[in-house]
Amino acid sequence: NAGVTQTPKFRVLKTGQSMTLLCAQDMNHEYMYWYRQDPGMGLRLIHYSVGEGTTAKGEVPDGYNVSRLKKQNFLLGLESAAPSQTSVYFCASSRRGTNTGELFFGEGSRLTVL
Amino acid sequence: SQELEQSPQSLIVQEGKNLTINCTSSKTLYGLYWYKQKYGEGLIFLMMLQKGGEEKSHEKITAKLDEKKQQSSLHITASQPSHAGIYLCGADMALRAGNQFYFGTGTSLTVIP
Repeated sequence: NAGVTQTPKFRVLKTGQSMTLLCAQDMNHEYMYWYRQDPGMGLRLIHYSVGEGTTAKGEVPDGYNVSRLKKQNFLLGLESAAPSQTSVYFCASSRRGTNTGELFFGEGSRLTVL
Repeated sequence: SQELEQSPQSLIVQEGKNLTINCTSSKTLYGLYWYKQKYGEGLIFLMMLQKGGEEKSHEKITAKLDEKKQQSSLHITASQPSHAGIYLCGADMALRAGNQFYFGTGTSLTVIP
């Protein structure tokens, strides 16, 4: 049982380049989330999805887009990367709403924007 | 998230000592979760508290949620090097429509052998 898998785990981009982070979960979870983690800021919610075909903005959505075309996948896109987007990105999923259970996290994707 | 404040930001303790980490919100929490993150890795769920006054324990870690459901504490008894890592509290704040799960700023714990 793989749980939540993120790819790639590491990536270096130049300012203005685009990229997509892929999150895949094999637990048939309805809810999926993308967070970024920065020193002193904790984890901040970027976007989330409550089901296939749905997405919603979180705390810090600017500069990111997401898609949930398939229930098991949640993609995070950066159309034009900026140095401020250098961070560690975590994907998470949960069975239903978070008040009914825990979040399961991927191992993180470290992105550096030069 | 500014909605959840954790203290202290970092903690260095000698092995065998007890310690407490606090998580405070200005709003009522619908569910409070504690996670642990080992350096360079993802987050691991520790426990969830939902009822005011609730207390849960797992091995040497005890978490409590106060009666007003606005503050939680995580207490580690007789700390060990394996307890080192970043501890984060998280909560379903229900600030806007939908289920948004927010985290505190984290507490970095170092245990000196």
